[in-house]
Amino acid sequence: DIQMTQSPPSLSAFVGDRVTITCRASQSISIYLNWYQQKPGKAPNILIYAEPSLQSGVPSRFSGSGSGTDFTLTINNLQPEDSATYYCQQSYSSPRTFGGGTKVEI
Amino acid sequence: QVHLQQSGPGLVKPSQTLSLTCAISGDSVFSHVAAWTWIRQSPSRGLEWLGRTYYRSRWINDLAVSLKSRISINADTSKNQFSLQLSSVTPEDTAVYYCARELGNSYGYWGQGTLVTVSS
Repeated sequence: DIQMTQSPPSLSAFVGDRVTITCRASQSISIYLNWYQQKPGKAPNILIYAEPSLQSGVPSRFSGSGSGTDFTLTINNLQPEDSATYYCQQSYSSPRTFGGGTKVEI
Repeated sequence: QVHLQQSGPGLVKPSQTLSLTCAISGDSVFSHVAAWTWIRQSPSRGLEWLGRTYYRSRWINDLAVSLKSRISINADTSKNQFSLQLSSVTPEDTAVYYCARELGNSYGYWGQGTLVTVSS
């Protein structure tokens, strides 16, 4: 199975900041990396797929980059509604696997 | 607009079988491009992919190896839904269970989630 490692596990930032979350795969996954946002009590919501395509309706302050084993999710101009936990997920091979999550507090 | 509606009990006794159903609207379980997936989430295991079923001229099941002896995922074509069965459950199987549609290698639609507690 491909292991997905996210860092940091949590971070605290201010409105207007830029934050970066990293995700590392245990082997190359090409561009097959997705990012999700999850708020308490809700299912995850897709932000970015097949890095770096932005899902329709997702604000442009979210962006992704990377390929191979190293990926980043960047949130520019952080907003209060961005307070959530963010997960990466590889779709290169089965079984699909997720990172451990990064909790963003604002 | 795709909608996934989950149903099933929230409490299961140890050693029994967990059964959940996911009703699909706005798409077909026979889709040749989608895969119908179950994922669970717990504090100890995080988000854990359980398996998927999909139709590509025949039904294909792709299941988590760690659960293969206990899990089954099946499509009910008459009701346009799919189901999860997990046998011989233990408290370790306590989690929020989600169904989801995989399309284009990502999960754009999810069910509402079902907290399943394994307890006597």
